[in-house]
Amino acid sequence: GAVVSQHPSRVICKSGTSVKIECRSLDFQATTMFWYRQFPKQSLMLMATSNEGSKATYEQGVEKDKFLINHASLTLSTLTVTSAHPEDSSFYICSASADYNSPLHFGNGTRLTVT
Amino acid sequence: DQQVKQNSPSLSVQEGRISILNCDYTNSMFDYFLWYKKYPAEGPTFLISISSIKDKNEDGRFTVFLNKSAKHLSLHIVPSQPGDSAVYFCAANSRTQGGSEKLVFGKGTKLTVNP
Repeated sequence: GAVVSQHPSRVICKSGTSVKIECRSLDFQATTMFWYRQFPKQSLMLMATSNEGSKATYEQGVEKDKFLINHASLTLSTLTVTSAHPEDSSFYICSASADYNSPLHFGNGTRLTVT
Repeated sequence: DQQVKQNSPSLSVQEGRISILNCDYTNSMFDYFLWYKKYPAEGPTFLISISSIKDKNEDGRFTVFLNKSAKHLSLHIVPSQPGDSAVYFCAANSRTQGGSEKLVFGKGTKLTVNP
């Protein structure tokens, strides 16, 4: 079945550094990938929609200069958390679908801890 | 304003009995609905979906019912097993302006199946 690989699964970084998270669709081409953030005891919050070959569309309240998204190919999207701060610590999840009629498949998520 | 609501944050059932997870939504333009299952520290995995033109979809022990007039859907698990213990997210699909999918999630219901 369709697999979305997200790497790394866990990362600890110091405040002020940048962290890159990769999301790959392994056996299908994903024109669109989505990035989510999960807060404790809350549902997933959509951060941005990543479209291959174009700029990402950010949801209201999400800083595009802080959360840089690059969708360089049909199988890879990256989220870079720039100048990370402790409040950026969270669980980040990506998802992708092969087409509009297919369910979204999720990566296993990345637990980011900023110290 | 929350468009997808899961009003029960938790549910506990005995092994072998039926688990019923409920979900309400407010947007009549949602075109299909999905249930995702999430284990701790993992990304959600797709479980079952239903198109807005249907009222029932069954897959093994899992059945989803949709009542459009009431804007309500439910997930039935029969018989429940301890391995079903997880957080279940209800999600509804809408289209972004660009035509790509956008999922709106509920806050999740934590199901505990007791042996």
